[in-house]
Amino acid sequence: AQTVTQSQPEMSVQEAETVTLSCTYDTSESDYYLFWYKQPPSRQMILVIRQEAYKQQNATENRFSVNFQKAAKSFSLKISDSQLGDAAMYFCAYRSRAGGTSYGKLTFGQGTILTVHP
Amino acid sequence: KAGVTQTPRYLIKTRGQQVTLSCSPISGHRSVSWYQQTPGQGLQFLFEYFSETQRNKGNFPGRFSGRQFSNSRSEMNVSTLELGDSALYLCASSTASGANVLTFGAGSRLTVL
Repeated sequence: AQTVTQSQPEMSVQEAETVTLSCTYDTSESDYYLFWYKQPPSRQMILVIRQEAYKQQNATENRFSVNFQKAAKSFSLKISDSQLGDAAMYFCAYRSRAGGTSYGKLTFGQGTILTVHP
Repeated sequence: KAGVTQTPRYLIKTRGQQVTLSCSPISGHRSVSWYQQTPGQGLQFLFEYFSETQRNKGNFPGRFSGRQFSNSRSEMNVSTLELGDSALYLCASSTASGANVLTFGAGSRLTVL
């Protein structure tokens, strides 16, 4: 079974600064997806960024980028130019591409609460 | 395009009762997944439906069940409620079972007294 670990329960950053959230995962599979989701106080889970394991290039979405280290099974999220609206709980998630038992299933980490100070 | 709609947003039940939660996926999405979110256990996968068929199931007791209708709307039911069932229940939809992106609804907050 796959596991996802987020070792930082809480992080804080000053507005306009950069912060990095850590995530490690454990799997015996070679083909999978990794995601970062954001959950603000409104509770709606919002996709921030995704990475396909077979792609060596790190994904970027505007101010959000990842550092994907497949051999180390590490998937960190970097938020540049932090904004007050970035304050939320951030979840790292894994999804197998194997089909069958992967259908609809994301395995989540425990989450990191990000606070942004003005 | 409307997002994933979950109803009700909040509900309070007592132990032993049962509850039904509803999820309307994004138009055109045929796969619906359900998750339970609690402070202690985090986010856990309940089950996934595609074309009215349960394709995958998480490690939950049989009191948790679901179904999907021909219009892709899904319901989940929890019978004989326990205090530990208090949670945020999230529904997510995607275009197909193997699609890599799930779009989540705002959730249904269940409190069991």
